[in-house]
Amino acid sequence: ILNVEQSPQSLHVQEGDSTNFTCSFPSSNFYALHWYRWETAKSPEALFVMTLNGDEKKKGRISATLNTKEGYSYLYIKGSQPEDSATYLCASRMDSSYKLIFGSGTRLLVRP
Amino acid sequence: DAGVIQSPRHEVTEMGQEVTLRCKPISGHDYLFWYRQTMMRGLELLIYFNNNVPIDDSGMPEDRFSAKMPNASFSTLKIQPSEPRDSAVYFCASSVTGNQPQHFGDGTRLSIL
Repeated sequence: ILNVEQSPQSLHVQEGDSTNFTCSFPSSNFYALHWYRWETAKSPEALFVMTLNGDEKKKGRISATLNTKEGYSYLYIKGSQPEDSATYLCASRMDSSYKLIFGSGTRLLVRP
Repeated sequence: DAGVIQSPRHEVTEMGQEVTLRCKPISGHDYLFWYRQTMMRGLELLIYFNNNVPIDDSGMPEDRFSAKMPNASFSTLKIQPSEPRDSAVYFCASSVTGNQPQHFGDGTRLSIL
């Protein structure tokens, strides 16, 4: 079974803190890595799709890096705001199918 | 632009009944995905379609589950007969191509009593 692991499971930070969390995936047969942001009572919203080793993507205060050789991706949030509170999911595509394997997410709570 | 539209938002029914979940993907998106979200297993892909054709149904749990996409703007996920363990949130998502980000609907919260 090929698993996608995310850590930590949950994270509480103060408004203004910068934070980061990890997504680990099998480095063999890597095709793509997706990041989604999922607010409570809403649906997952796409942040990034990354495919190349060394990729770095940025969207406002959120950025992500990708290391396909060692099988991990980091998501960074600079200057966290209460509206950043959500579950952040990563998902790996591991074969020629477009099937995504999702991690269990990192739940972020930003205190005002 | 309208996003992915799912109906119903909530469904409560008794075990043994047939359940049909519906999805309208974003216009112009060639890929449609059905997911199930549970506390125990998280978000799991059930099946996906490309240009209305089922491509990977390896996540469909058993023969009680079936999915169809009769045209580019409509898909159904059917459970017959339903069982309490099918209770979950079912999401539909679509994307322009398989490599693009997926756009999720609001989900259908299904409770089988």
